[in-house]
Amino acid sequence: EIVLTQSPGTLSLSPGERATLSCRASQSVSSNYLAWYQQKPGQAPRLLIYGASTRATGIPDRFSGSGSGTDFTLTISRLEPEDFAVYYCQQYSRSPWAFGQGTKVEIK
Amino acid sequence: EVQLVESGGGLVQPGGSLRLSCSASGFTFSSYTMHWVRQAPGKGLEYVSGITTNGGSTYYADSVKGRFTISRDNPKNTLYLQMTSLTPEDTAVYYCVINPSHWGQGTLVTVSS
Repeated sequence: EIVLTQSPGTLSLSPGERATLSCRASQSVSSNYLAWYQQKPGQAPRLLIYGASTRATGIPDRFSGSGSGTDFTLTISRLEPEDFAVYYCQQYSRSPWAFGQGTKVEIK
Repeated sequence: EVQLVESGGGLVQPGGSLRLSCSASGFTFSSYTMHWVRQAPGKGLEYVSGITTNGGSTYYADSVKGRFTISRDNPKNTLYLQMTSLTPEDTAVYYCVINPSHWGQGTLVTVSS
């Protein structure tokens, strides 16, 4: 089974700054079947990125995903107030799926 | 339009059982591996279980193995999760999921005396 490790656990930044979130897999993620979600309190997860780098419908272009194999990155180019939330990565290349433990992006 | 509607959640005592259902529409249900994902209050997302198109293969998180059983009824376009020997640690919102783009709205399971 693939294990995903996200870092850092918490990221303290100011609006307008760049956020870089990491997701490392214990084994290679086939076909880059790696997704990123955003979640705010009381809400369901919102898909941001799938296929490691493809933005989901309606996602602003300040969100970008990159990486392959075992190392993946979610970048938010300039943080907007609504971007402060928890972010999860997920591998869906093979069952059982796996989720990272999450990175909280908080206002500094 | 893809729709996944979970039902069957509620309050159950420790040691009790519950069966969740997920009614699917808007796609060819029998062609997709289906999954259950849960999220406990204040915690992260946790993969619970998955089942292949014809039910030939199933997958379980270690935390539910031996207690939960996933199944599907393709003619009825319905996915199930039979949960037994429930503990307070199973309290969570349970989501039915096809792929990262398509999640149900979730159903809350609360295990408490």
